[in-house]
Amino acid sequence: GAVVSQHPSRVICKSGTSVKIECRSLDFQATTMFWYRQFPKQSLMLMATSNEGSKATYEQGVEKDKFLINHASLTLSTLTVTSAHPEDSSFYICSARDSYSGQGDSYEQYFGPGTRLTVT
Amino acid sequence: GQNIDQPTEMTATEGAIVQINCTYQTSGFNGLFWYQQHAGEAPTFLSYNVLDGLEEKGRFSSFLSRSKGYSYLLLKELQMKDSASYLCASMDSNYQLIWGAGTKLIIKP
Repeated sequence: GAVVSQHPSRVICKSGTSVKIECRSLDFQATTMFWYRQFPKQSLMLMATSNEGSKATYEQGVEKDKFLINHASLTLSTLTVTSAHPEDSSFYICSARDSYSGQGDSYEQYFGPGTRLTVT
Repeated sequence: GQNIDQPTEMTATEGAIVQINCTYQTSGFNGLFWYQQHAGEAPTFLSYNVLDGLEEKGRFSSFLSRSKGYSYLLLKELQMKDSASYLCASMDSNYQLIWGAGTKLIIKP
């Protein structure tokens, strides 16, 4: 159980275009989803916390108008990179937390497989 | 401030034992996670500790000392496939994970 899918797994786009990445919890409901970015040989960097039915909470330094997050249902969150530039090229990973678990280790985040974005 | 420290890189020999240390300082504490991440892949969950002591799970064990703000991940009978980055993450009072930079573990034959 606790599977998170991410689509697409790999995308190449031209500078100035927008790219949408989907994150789905397949067998559980996720009130909260997280979007991370990871540059080569660096750790995960939390970009934003996505809450179903409300606005996402962005981390300091992350432009909310550039990285649009929509968490329209308990199983789907999307990240849209608008007007992408080469410096946005990175590995984007989403994770989700099961809404209905109450124990400490249920705060485990289940990760999607990641999306490698290359902007040319 | 919030801070997670772990070594950048470690090297060990196949069949041996290795201990990866992690120290943390976070605003509140709701547990310590260890994740494994192979290059180019997403992290996978290894362990969760919220109480002091050692939790054993097969070849992997994780230890926590809340008073010292310290945890370690112990890997026994190392296999080549254990070559990966190991991420330590502390959950703060808002149930948000604060991530370490990861320890790259290199296993040599």
